[in-house]
Amino acid sequence: EAGVVQSPRYKIIEKKQPVAFWCNPISGHNTLYWYRQNLGQGPELLIRYENEEAVDDSQLPKDRFSAERLKGVDSTLKIQPAELGDSAVYLCASSAYSFGTGAYEQYFGPGTRLTVT
Amino acid sequence: GENVEQHPSTLSVQEGDSAVIKCTYSDSASNYFPWYKQELGKRPQLIIDIRSNVGEKKDQRIAVTLNKTAKHFSLHITETQPEDSAVYFCAAGPSGGSYIPTFGRGTSLIVHP
Repeated sequence: EAGVVQSPRYKIIEKKQPVAFWCNPISGHNTLYWYRQNLGQGPELLIRYENEEAVDDSQLPKDRFSAERLKGVDSTLKIQPAELGDSAVYLCASSAYSFGTGAYEQYFGPGTRLTVT
Repeated sequence: GENVEQHPSTLSVQEGDSAVIKCTYSDSASNYFPWYKQELGKRPQLIIDIRSNVGEKKDQRIAVTLNKTAKHFSLHITETQPEDSAVYFCAAGPSGGSYIPTFGRGTSLIVHP
């Protein structure tokens, strides 16, 4: 079974430029998350989707960040314009209920390392 | 909201020793506690988890314990090996209906051969 797929893996842009990240979750996973991970820290949630609906976006800086999940499968996260402080790894994850653990197990993609110069 | 504290931030052990990483959480509604291992430049990978109706869970050299009263949970790695070197993250959150884990800041485990 394929895992969570993200692209690109690396992106270097100048400040004020736009950038977009793409995520394809594990097949059948209705819940999709976008996280930002700064160096030496744990992932911080930006937005969570249940199917195509954004149900938790309180941590998303809406003045410059936007996300969509059309058709409830793939998702894109966009930053426009990018700032120096946006340099981080952007992780996508998806989850589904596990009858083995009785909980939702979450699986991460490889991330996109963004460097804003 | 949930607040997860993780200690230590760095842990250095000799190969064969045991390693213990501790986390505390604040929200009594949290009932699912996963642990992730993240090697340099790679994705976080789920290595073990525990639910609040269980006090301890073991998988080969890895075990997790949970004290729900004290809101503590810990990761125990026995007989450490150099390949255990990585950053380990704990997380906590409710698991019913929706799952929004809050992550700790991570522990960098270094196993010296």
